[in-house]
Amino acid sequence: GAGVSQSPRYKVAKRGQDVALRCDPISGHVSLFWYQQALGQGPEFLTYFQNEAQLDKSGLPSDRFFAERPEGSVSTLKIQRTQQEDSAVYLCASSLNRGLSEQYFGPGTRLTVT
Amino acid sequence: DQQVKQNSPSLSVQEGRISILNCDYTNSMFDYFLWYKKYPAEGPTFLISISSIKDKNEDGRFTVFLNKSAKHLSLHIVPSQPGDSAVYFCAALGDTGNQFYFGTGTSLTVIP
Repeated sequence: GAGVSQSPRYKVAKRGQDVALRCDPISGHVSLFWYQQALGQGPEFLTYFQNEAQLDKSGLPSDRFFAERPEGSVSTLKIQRTQQEDSAVYLCASSLNRGLSEQYFGPGTRLTVT
Repeated sequence: DQQVKQNSPSLSVQEGRISILNCDYTNSMFDYFLWYKKYPAEGPTFLISISSIKDKNEDGRFTVFLNKSAKHLSLHIVPSQPGDSAVYFCAALGDTGNQFYFGTGTSLTVIP
């Protein structure tokens, strides 16, 4: 498929566990974004990559959150020592260029921390 | 602090009538706005956008209106169809050009 894919689609973690969420953007897309969407809320920006460079990580809620995109394509969002407040849908989006370019979203990973 | 607000969590409209979804923002520096549509268990999909140099953009049944002085935008869908039933998010591009700020969404139900 040509769209953005994310895995796993669902993840249940016990409090304190580490999790890793994967995003495969559309091939050739320069920009990649991670968002966190809590229940009943809109997506909230976490971080932005342009190729392999993480240009903006101002939305990451704590130092337990870490994202990487080492080769400028696949990205991983890692959450260490998960807490219940981390329960949310994590959305990845990619776009051909930066800024005004249309973002294509993946289906999201629903993380539940018990 | 929510910079983009959608004050109506839900809206029901008869098929064939006009749907009007509203969005307000607080930051006068925002200059690019988008509407996304989201079905359950899927990611948002881009619908239509507008730059602050325009006050209207039309694409088929979808029209977005921007009132910069009121910091308000709206999405009009006419005629509404049952397949339009979804959650609609408005979003604004922030000052850095990297961050999009999303509203909390409006769930539209089009009744056949």
